[in-house]
Amino acid sequence: ETGVTQSPTHLIKTRGQQVTLRCSSQSGHNTVSWYQQALGQGPQFIFQYYREEENGRGNFPPRFSGLQFPNYSSELNVNALELDDSALYLCASSVKGLNTEAFFGQGTRLTVV
Amino acid sequence: AQSVTQPDIHITVSEGASLELRCNYSYGATPYLFWYVQSPGQGLQLLLKYFSGDTLVQGIKGFEAEFKRSQSSFNLRKPSVHWSDAAEYFCAALIYNQGGKLIFGQGTELSVKP
Repeated sequence: ETGVTQSPTHLIKTRGQQVTLRCSSQSGHNTVSWYQQALGQGPQFIFQYYREEENGRGNFPPRFSGLQFPNYSSELNVNALELDDSALYLCASSVKGLNTEAFFGQGTRLTVV
Repeated sequence: AQSVTQPDIHITVSEGASLELRCNYSYGATPYLFWYVQSPGQGLQLLLKYFSGDTLVQGIKGFEAEFKRSQSSFNLRKPSVHWSDAAEYFCAALIYNQGGKLIFGQGTELSVKP
């Protein structure tokens, strides 16, 4: 167990709706990254948060947004859901700096119908 | 562009046989490299990592990997596979100047036959 927890574990939403996914980082970790893993693919970097600010973003549209809170937990928000947003969403926490590794949560399985 | 390639989508080995999973990276400098394992519907567990120094790194569950700069490779090996090793394996590179994002390969699914 990594100490990174995500909620909910599974979620079904309708196209056009909005969704919020949550992540609690491992104790002592100040950086949270979010990844999208489509079926049969490797995870794709969405963005990273450090000190409550976005600190790097992948090739995802603005309807993917996030927050980081003072306790380093984080939320991923997706507006105007599309069918292709169906995926496993993974949160990873780490400590900012060199020689660091990311620890992943179990993920949230989002299904858009 | 930075990329990580895992040439083998699916590998089947017999229990007790040796294993090698291939990984190649494309990056201007030597990246930090990782191998993760993922069981169905689960998150990613770190097997091992390479930051610098000794090019042969040891990980958990009896896995090791060798970094070869000349071949831009970071292959994962295990001398004797157990049935519980059946899972999806991902190689990843850390791109530090882009917010510390990880770039993942497409993954290699390992099946173990009795």
